[in-house]
Parts: sequence; structure tokens; C-alpha cells
Amino acid sequence: DAGITQSPRHKVTETGTPVTLRCHQTENHRYMYWYRQDPGHGLRLIHYSYGVKDTDKGEVSDGYSVSRSKTEDFLLTLESATSSQTSVYFCAIGEDRRSGTDTQYFGPGTRLTVL
Amino acid sequence: AQRVTQPEKLLSVFKGAPVELKCNYSYSGSPELFWYVQYSRQRLQLLLRHISRESIKGFTADLNKGETSFHLKKPFAQEEDSAMYYCALSGRGGSTLGRLYFGRGTQLTVWP
Repeated sequence: DAGITQSPRHKVTETGTPVTLRCHQTENHRYMYWYRQDPGHGLRLIHYSYGVKDTDKGEVSDGYSVSRSKTEDFLLTLESATSSQTSVYFCAIGEDRRSGTDTQYFGPGTRLTVL
Repeated sequence: AQRVTQPEKLLSVFKGAPVELKCNYSYSGSPELFWYVQYSRQRLQLLLRHISRESIKGFTADLNKGETSFHLKKPFAQEEDSAMYYCALSGRGGSTLGRLYFGRGTQLTVWP
């Protein structure tokens, strides 16, 4: 597996509380992504980063924010968690596009439950 | 707009039977296509990508630009192939730079 870790791996929280998920990579890849995985929806992109302090929204970014202050870390924050944000969250890293490929490698996932 | 469609949510076959997981896409440019696999409670893993033209674990996929399809095939399914399979598309520039678009996935079950 590529050097990608996510923390925490499981979290249960209450509606209205802030939550931060961390993704850490040791591959020095430029691109990092946050997805959520829900039954019947597959994987949907929340936010992604194409460099330190460079981020952009994905297709389901409402209610989420991200930060990337170092190449190796990409944080996903739920400012005020809602039950609709109960999901499995995957971080991914991408190879430098100059290599000619867009392959992404995924972390182990974080299972978040919002009560 | 970019879109990946996997028409089958569930697919069941018996061990030793051929299997085909369908994937259709829409994209105005020249896409790069991937198949990812997720075994039970594990992370997604890259299975294959069309530019490498590899055969991984007996699976192959051919990009058909005329039919905008990238179906995944295996001539003889094994029980260990049971997993969720995702087809994904990457744009080659513009606003799609660096992004993957996933289908909703097909859960394959191979019965003994």
C-alpha cells in the first residue's frame, strides 16, 4: 500500500460538533483528495488539493472545509456535523501529472457516525 | 459534463463462469479510464488502467471510444473476485485536471 494513513479510523460524534479528519502521506505526491463513500452513490469528491495551500471544491463540498499547510498532510473539517455526513471518508493521493498518468492511491478510510 | 455509468448495482456469477462488468462514460475530450476494486472493508485498490493495457488477476478492459465504454472482463471468475468494482474517469485538462470521476460501483459476488 502507498504510504497513506488516516486518523481517526472510526469516530462517533453528535450533531453540531466540529470534526477534523487527518490524512497523512509519505509519498511526497502533489495531489491529495477527500472522498465520501455512500451506498448507491459510489465515491464522491469533497475537496482536493494540488499543492500546499492550493485547494478546490469537489462535487459535494457544502458543509466541509479543508486545509493543507504541508505537503504530507490534508485535513478535512466538518464545521458543524450533521447526520447526513455519516459516511466513510477516503483520502487519496495522486501522482504528478507530468508522469503522464492520473492514478490515485487510497487510504484505509475513516468511518464517521453523526448521531 | 463528465459522467461514468455502471448500470449494474449487483452482479452474481458462479465460479468458473465468465464475468463482464459494464462501464460507460461521457466526456468531451480524451479520457483516461480506470478500474478500482474494493474487497470487503478494505481500501480501494487500482485494478487496471487503460493506458497500461495490462491484465491484472485475469481481468482485462478495452477502451471502446465509439461506444464510450470500458467494460471489465474475466473469462473464469473465482470466489476471491467477489468485491465492489468502481469504474473511474480522469479528464486530461482544464477544470477536470487532477480529478477522478467514479461510477456508483458494481458489487460482484462469485458463488462456489
